[in-house]
Amino acid sequence: GAVVSQHPSWVICKSGTSVKIECRSLDFQATTMFWYRQFPKQSLMLMATSNEGSKATYEQGVEKDKFLINHASLTLSTLTVTSAHPEDSSFYICSARGTSGANNEQFFGPGTRLTVL
Amino acid sequence: GENVEQHPSTLSVQEGDSAVIKCTYSDSASNYFPWYKQELGKRPQLIIDIRSNVGEKKDQRIAVTLNKTAKHFSLHITETQPEDSAVYFCAAARADNLFFGTGTRLTVIP
Repeated sequence: GAVVSQHPSWVICKSGTSVKIECRSLDFQATTMFWYRQFPKQSLMLMATSNEGSKATYEQGVEKDKFLINHASLTLSTLTVTSAHPEDSSFYICSARGTSGANNEQFFGPGTRLTVL
Repeated sequence: GENVEQHPSTLSVQEGDSAVIKCTYSDSASNYFPWYKQELGKRPQLIIDIRSNVGEKKDQRIAVTLNKTAKHFSLHITETQPEDSAVYFCAAARADNLFFGTGTRLTVIP
């Protein structure tokens, strides 16, 4: 149980285009989903927290107009990188937290590697 | 916000020896402390966690200790094996959010 998928797993795009990444909880309902960014050999940096049906909460320094997050249902959140530039190239990982109890545990997706040319 | 520091950044041990990774956190309101193992290009995998009302937790070769007064927690791996080689991240949770340490690259030498 507690499986989170991401799609696509790897995307290469041209500078200036937009890329959408999907995060799905496959066998549980996720009231909260999180988006992280990870540069090579570095830690996971929380970008934003999204709750189903409400606006995402962005961490300081993360441009909400550039990284659009939509949490349309209890099993799906999307991250759209708008007008992507080479510096946006990174590994993007989502995680999901279930609805049950006081468990803080987050279940991570496999990540999406974005390369902007 | 929460600031999590992790040491060492790299650690090499001989197979069979123990490995210890230490983390400190800044926010006394943090109440959940998971440890993740991440292999190259893969998702972080939860290996053990501890809550603020517990001082120590063990799961086979892995143990975690928490000192709330000093705001530090540690991961202990005993009888290390080559497959333990990976990057390990500690994290501290305040409300819904996880704040990660900078990671420790563990290499177990056969």
